[in-house]
Amino acid sequence: ELKVEQNPLFLSMQEGKNYTIYCNYSTTSDRLYWYRQDPGKSLESLFVLLSNGAVKQEGRLMASLDTKARLSTLHITAAVHDLSATYFCAVDQGGSEKLVFGKGTKLTVNP
Amino acid sequence: GAVVSQHPSRVICKSGTSVKIECRSLDFQATTMFWYRQFPKQSLMLMATSNEGSKATYEQGVEKDKFLINHASLTLSTLTVTSAHPEDSSFYICSAYGLLGTDTQYFGPGTRLTVL
Repeated sequence: ELKVEQNPLFLSMQEGKNYTIYCNYSTTSDRLYWYRQDPGKSLESLFVLLSNGAVKQEGRLMASLDTKARLSTLHITAAVHDLSATYFCAVDQGGSEKLVFGKGTKLTVNP
Repeated sequence: GAVVSQHPSRVICKSGTSVKIECRSLDFQATTMFWYRQFPKQSLMLMATSNEGSKATYEQGVEKDKFLINHASLTLSTLTVTSAHPEDSSFYICSAYGLLGTDTQYFGPGTRLTVL
């Protein structure tokens, strides 16, 4: 059974600081996704990572994937308040397109 | 980009009634649609996988007679919560996966169900 673990679950940081959210998963997979969710809203797709060593960047967010370590990271650079949200990683179950989600990381960026 | 809509966005119903939620892919054909449930401050849990023209596949622990799924066309899937109870109150989100050449699911805006 595929398990996905995120940490930290809660993250409070100051504007301008850097931080990394980690996503570990238990079985082999070749697709990992990062999503953002604002309160009361659905999911917004941030990144799709499809291969070992994949790195994608969008603005202040950068995601990477190490399939050998079964680890993905979401790095936040010079955080701003607008990044406050809950971030989920999700892993595809063996190419079935069925996603298993981590518990989410609630990020609060303080002025 | 690909757009997925859900209707209604919010519904309040009495215990014992049934509620139907629609999920539509607006500008692409969805070969597969997924239904998730999210309780407050929790993650998304996959309920079922819906393929056009065939029976839905339910995840372990999800009652298929309670959560009826119909995927009538390549752009529409419906979830009917039958004989709803307060414990069914949740945020229901659908996603669609289609032949777009992308490797991602597109999520609907969600439906908040409150059962009184």
